[in-house]
Amino acid sequence: GAGVSQSPSNKVTEKGKDVELRCDPISGHTALYWYRQSLGQGLEFLIYFQGNSAPDKSGLPSDRFSAERTGGSVSTLTIQRTQQEDSAVYLCASSAGTSGGFQETQYFGPGTRLLVL
Amino acid sequence: GEDVEQSLFLSVREGDSSVINCTYTDSSSTYLYWYKQEPGAGLQLLTYIFSNMDMKQDQRLTVLLNKKDKHLSLRIADTQTGDSAIYFCAAHNFNKFYFGSGTKLNVKP
Repeated sequence: GAGVSQSPSNKVTEKGKDVELRCDPISGHTALYWYRQSLGQGLEFLIYFQGNSAPDKSGLPSDRFSAERTGGSVSTLTIQRTQQEDSAVYLCASSAGTSGGFQETQYFGPGTRLLVL
Repeated sequence: GEDVEQSLFLSVREGDSSVINCTYTDSSSTYLYWYKQEPGAGLQLLTYIFSNMDMKQDQRLTVLLNKKDKHLSLRIADTQTGDSAIYFCAAHNFNKFYFGSGTKLNVKP
């Protein structure tokens, strides 16, 4: 596809369960970002992958959150032992990853809506 | 980190111009963006401006940047009901994007 895709589009889970959210970036994009948008809030940066470099995890809110990016393409965000405050829309974005110019613009997926009961 | 702030709500009548304002704190931000989020959808890039520019126009959209005051605005001419959405301002600083909390634009017929 031409854009960033995410799955599932909606996820309802029970408190304490683990969830995995998937992101397929635009082909060829080396940079991948995860954000969280809670109800009525702005976007909160979670984690950033750039090529083969170690990811920037500075935005992860707790050690229950982790993310992987396999083969420099697909990424999975895992939330362990989910809590009700984890309920939010989780957005993935990708960019070309080269420095300067329009190429660094991020392109967002439609998001995964997570509801923790 | 960067602090990006926007007003939360704006209401205009169809056909009027809308002006959405944004302030940021880090003068080293290189690019400033406007994104649109319609209900139930992801973010859509509307336009961006490089920090050495003070104005950019793209059809009905005009972006003004006052780098001295670290103030960014988005003007939508002839606002339509389809423009109703949340508009996010974002600042690009190194490899991170910092977003405002979004301005909800309501266009009344």
